[in-house]
Amino acid sequence: SQQGEEDPQALSIQEGENATMNCSYKTSINNLQWYRQNSGRGLVHLILIRSNEREKHSGRLRVTLDTSKKSSSLLITASRAADTASYFCATEGNNRLAFGKGNQVVVIP
Amino acid sequence: GAVVSQHPSWVICKSGTSVKIECRSLDFQATTMFWYRQFPKQSLMLMATSNEGSKATYEQGVEKDKFLINHASLTLSTLTVTSAHPEDSSFYICSAREVGREDRQETQYFGPGTRLLVL
Repeated sequence: SQQGEEDPQALSIQEGENATMNCSYKTSINNLQWYRQNSGRGLVHLILIRSNEREKHSGRLRVTLDTSKKSSSLLITASRAADTASYFCATEGNNRLAFGKGNQVVVIP
Repeated sequence: GAVVSQHPSWVICKSGTSVKIECRSLDFQATTMFWYRQFPKQSLMLMATSNEGSKATYEQGVEKDKFLINHASLTLSTLTVTSAHPEDSSFYICSAREVGREDRQETQYFGPGTRLLVL
């Protein structure tokens, strides 16, 4: 089955700094999505990048996709304390999402 | 728009009882809903795909008689944990995919989750 896999990280950064996290996967995909989850809450969809796209921006978020390396990165610029959360990538294929392990990001005010 | 609700948000029950969790798409219709399970500090694991008007498709290793799924309408899917045991304690999250909106069909909208504790 398909599976997005983040480098299992816990990032701790100062407010205003950039945060970068990576995700790799194993099989072909239709798209790759990034989600945010605050502790004990549901997931919030952040951004979707299709397999034929290489880069996408949404506000302070920048996502890249390298299908040759089967990897993606999520960059959060000018981080804020409210960005503290877990971030998951998910690959879509066969009409289902497969989630990675997640990255815990802590932004220190 | 694209709001998904779950009820209850948390439940504590005795071992052996059954628990029903509802997942509703509030402002859109969803032919497909998904049920996930998440253990503490772990990722989401897809349990089953719920299709309106038909039987759910369960992932490998998920007991369909243990986790009953009903998707009776385009806005409601239910997950019933039958004869719950302590090992069923987890965070259950549903998601829904909107029908008819090409620009949003790829996106799954997630509910806030239901925390189940079986004593």
